[in-house]
Amino acid sequence: EAQVTQNPRYLITVTGKKLTVTCSQNMNHEYMSWYRQDPGLGLRQIYYSMNVEVTDKGDVPEGYKVSRKEKRNFPLILESPSPNQTSLYFCASSWGQGGQETQYFGPGTRLLVL
Amino acid sequence: AQSVTQLDSQVPVFEEAPVELRCNYSSSVSVYLFWYVQYPNQGLQLLLKYLSGSTLVKGINGFEAEFNKSQTSFHLRKPSVHISDTAEYFCAVKTSGSARQLTFGSGTQLTVLP
Repeated sequence: EAQVTQNPRYLITVTGKKLTVTCSQNMNHEYMSWYRQDPGLGLRQIYYSMNVEVTDKGDVPEGYKVSRKEKRNFPLILESPSPNQTSLYFCASSWGQGGQETQYFGPGTRLLVL
Repeated sequence: AQSVTQLDSQVPVFEEAPVELRCNYSSSVSVYLFWYVQYPNQGLQLLLKYLSGSTLVKGINGFEAEFNKSQTSFHLRKPSVHISDTAEYFCAVKTSGSARQLTFGSGTQLTVLP
């Protein structure tokens, strides 16, 4: 089954404790993105990747890091989480950068930073 | 830079009634437009998209949307809603030729009442 998986689905942590949210897709997609969803703000893009070892900032990259060492994986790293990073996070992937490409979303990771 | 405005944050409607969810966008270049649906505790699923051609686009679950370039709008409609349509709906835009992925609106919560 074609899918985007994220782990963990739920995470409670404390300020300053480094964490990683994994994202993996089994569709051989080139493009992958991370979004955060906050009430009243919709989804905002954090980082995106056009291919292995190619990443770029989205609209809200501060406090986040990403890496793309393999095509299927695109982990999101919070080196020193803060309470304002409490949010719902989605990973997404698509074949290419063209507008006709449909993005496939993971199920989401709900993060609470105390 | 492009932006998306969803004019209604919440839309309550009775079952079997018609519904319209409004979306306006701004961009200085040509765009692709999308509607996504998010059911409770799930990721986003593509409802429909406009790339080019006919301005009336039909999607899944009986939804359709009309692209109006002069009014920079892409409103979503359904002639008769069901309880199962209760979800959050997001309008999104992508400019052609951009490597950046989607810019989302803030979302509209559709609640279908019995």
